[in-house]
Formats: sequence, structure tokens, C-alpha cells
Amino acid sequence: ETGVTQTPRHLVMGMTNKKSLKCEQHLGHNAMYWYKQSAKKPLELMFVYNFKEQTENNSVPSRFSPECPNSSHLFLHLHTLQPEDSALYLCASSQGEGDHQETQYFGPGTRLLVL
Amino acid sequence: LAKTTQPISMDSYEGQEVNITCSHNNIATNDYITWYQQFPSQGPRFIIQGYKTKVTNEVASLFIPADRKSSTLSLPRVSLSDTAVYYCLVGDWSTSGTYKYIFGTGTRLKVLA
Repeated sequence: ETGVTQTPRHLVMGMTNKKSLKCEQHLGHNAMYWYKQSAKKPLELMFVYNFKEQTENNSVPSRFSPECPNSSHLFLHLHTLQPEDSALYLCASSQGEGDHQETQYFGPGTRLLVL
Repeated sequence: LAKTTQPISMDSYEGQEVNITCSHNNIATNDYITWYQQFPSQGPRFIIQGYKTKVTNEVASLFIPADRKSSTLSLPRVSLSDTAVYYCLVGDWSTSGTYKYIFGTGTRLKVLA
């Protein structure tokens, strides 16, 4: 248990569906991250939020829309996804302002399958 | 692309010491070297971090030579539960101008009985 929870753990959706992934951290951290991990590929950083403000968007397609209402919650809204978007989506948090040398605490991930 | 190079995979037997070496020839002067462990279908978990010489905690040791162009993660007396992917990270500049971690492909360690 890392103090970072993600729901749902598994999600199957059609290409025309709209769904949202939720992440919550109970660590009092100020930075939160979304990563994508496809099979046999490295983790790809998608978004970074520091103190609720987005500080990094790693050229992510607009069909992925993040939302950070407060420092403890992070959402990833999904719409009109493609089958190649099927992957494990990981949320992480760190203590301060997203300094890359801070320890990141990862959630268990949401396994997404797009049909 | 990640700034680190690691072996793609390693096999070991239970009870052995495992050493995983990572090359980071272009490491920045103020960069730390950080290692994470990832089990299947789970998020990565921090193992150890160091700047120079040797760092030891209850899980592993990290050896960093004086030139800091490489580092070696040492896992003493591995067990089957140490089967995982191990990532070595240093920082790098993103296309948006921020300095951050880039995860590479990691080293897939398989511990055999």
C-alpha cells in the first residue's frame, strides 16, 4: 500500500465511450503524475500537476483530458479512444513541486482495454 | 529517450547476490541516481537513491564510482519474490523545458528456484 489509490482497476470501453480514471493520494503531496505503460514499452510520462496546476503535457493527444481539482485528486477523462490506447495507466505523487529527484509513489494502475 | 542503459534481462538463483549495472554517461553534475522496482501489473516502487560512493538500505545497496558514469544496484540473497523489472533513472530535459525522470526499458530480473 503506497498511499496512492486508483479506480477502477480494470476498464473495458468502446471507441465511442467516455470514461474517467480517478487517482487519490493520501500522502499530503503537492505533485501528481499520469503515466502510460504499454506492453513491452517504457513508462511514458503524460501529465504533471504541481499545486493543482499543469506543468507538463508530454504531447498527449486531446482525447486524454486531465483534471486536478485539488492536490489530492487527479482524474484522466477519456473519450473517443483508439485500440492502441489500451495500456496500464499509472498515477503517481511526490512531495514537492515535481522535482524529478523526488521519490514518486505510484498507484496500482488502471488496466484499460479499448475495443 | 532515456539517458540510461541497462541489460534487458538477467536470471539468477535464490540466495545469490544480484548486481545490475546501469550506464549514464551524460549524467548532470547535480543529478541523483534512483532505482525503482516494478512487479507485474503494479506501479513502480522506489528502492534506493544515491549521489556518490555507496548507499545502503534494508533492501539494497547502490555503488557509484567516482566518475558517476555508471551505478550498480546490488540485491543481496535474492528470493523468488524479487522477480521484477528494475529501473535506473537520472534526469533529463523534456521537450517542454522541464527537467524530469525518463523511465527506460529497465532490467527484467528473473529469480529461479
